[in-house]
Amino acid sequence: DSGVTQTPKHLITATGQRVTLRCSPRSGDLSVYWYQQSLDQGLQFLIQYYNGEERAKGNILERFSAQQFPDLHSELNLSSLELGDSALYFCASSVGLPTDTQYFGPGTRLTVL
Amino acid sequence: AQSVTQLDSQVPVFEEAPVELRCNYSSSVSVYLFWYVQYPNQGLQLLLKYLSGSTLVKGINGFEAEFNKSQTSFHLRKPSVHISDTAEYFCAVLYGSSNTGKLIFGQGTTLQVKP
Repeated sequence: DSGVTQTPKHLITATGQRVTLRCSPRSGDLSVYWYQQSLDQGLQFLIQYYNGEERAKGNILERFSAQQFPDLHSELNLSSLELGDSALYFCASSVGLPTDTQYFGPGTRLTVL
Repeated sequence: AQSVTQLDSQVPVFEEAPVELRCNYSSSVSVYLFWYVQYPNQGLQLLLKYLSGSTLVKGINGFEAEFNKSQTSFHLRKPSVHISDTAEYFCAVLYGSSNTGKLIFGQGTTLQVKP
């Protein structure tokens, strides 16, 4: 158990819909990272937040947004969903820097029908 | 372009044999290198990382990796594998600064340990 929790574990929705994925970091960690894992794209970095502020941005679509709240939990919002958004979404947390050990949650499997 | 290449998509090996999983990356001014393992239906777990110092890095579960700057490689090795090492292994490179860098992953190598 990494100490990072993600909800829900599975999510099935339809094209055009909007969903919210939630992540609670390990106690004491200030940074949260979001990753997408799919068969065709592999594992891709989406975005990093540090203590409530966006720190780094990767291949995150404009339809996707994220935020980190004062209690340090984070949410990833995916809107206007397409079939290609079906993937495993991981959240990771670290003490602060990206070079610190990142602890990954179990992931949320999103299926868009 | 920033890229990480894992040269083998699958590596079958017998139990107690040595194994090497290969990783090459496109060069960068700052080099921070990582190996992660993903067991079925689980998240990723850090095996080891190179940030600076000795080019030979030791990690968990008996794994080690060697940073080779001239060859831009960071190959993962284990002298004797166990059935429990069967998993997906990802090489990753942090491109950019240690403060705002982005972790770029290779496509992964499936290690299949046979009895």
